[in-house]
Amino acid sequence: NAGVTQTPKFQVLKTGQSMTLQCAQDMNHNSMYWYRQDPGMGLRLIYYSASEGTTDKGEVPNGYNVSRLNKREFSLRLESAAPSQTSVYFCASSRTLAGGRTDTQYFGPGTRLTVL
Amino acid sequence: TQLLEQSPQFLSIQEGENLTVYCNSSSVFSSLQWYRQEPGEGPVLLVTVVTGGEVKKLKRLTFQFGDARKDSSLHITAAQPGDTGLYLCAAMEYGNKLVFGAGTILRVKS
Repeated sequence: NAGVTQTPKFQVLKTGQSMTLQCAQDMNHNSMYWYRQDPGMGLRLIYYSASEGTTDKGEVPNGYNVSRLNKREFSLRLESAAPSQTSVYFCASSRTLAGGRTDTQYFGPGTRLTVL
Repeated sequence: TQLLEQSPQFLSIQEGENLTVYCNSSSVFSSLQWYRQEPGEGPVLLVTVVTGGEVKKLKRLTFQFGDARKDSSLHITAAQPGDTGLYLCAAMEYGNKLVFGAGTILRVKS
């Protein structure tokens, strides 16, 4: 039981390059999330997916796209990377409780992205 | 989006000392969570508080939720080097979205 896994762990891009961050969970959770973490700003929600086939914008979605490929996988794509997207990216997942509420979020180890 | 303010931003103490970290907002929370994050890893949930005035204990950690559900505190008794890390508070917004505070970096020196 690996929990939430993310690839790659580190990545360096040049401005304008594209890349996809991968996330997978093996806990059969319905909800999945992408956050970015910057010094002094905590974690900010980029996109989330309440179930397979649905996605919704979070607090800072500009410059990103997501795909909920299946129940296990939720990817984050940067089409044209910018230096402002230099950050640590975390994926998380949680199960959905009765009434639509979500349970504890479990986080992956993060991807450290630098855009030059 | 409700704003969560954490204080202090950074805390460096000696092993054995006590400390308190605060999380405040002008908004009322339905629930509040505390996470701990170690370098190179994702945050891990420590506790969830949901009732105004609630106090929860986790070994040497004591969590309080304010009576008006606008503030919370984390108190660590007799801190140890293993307590070193980033402590984050987070509140659940409408739509099951978590909003995080900026965090408190704790360093416990032996």
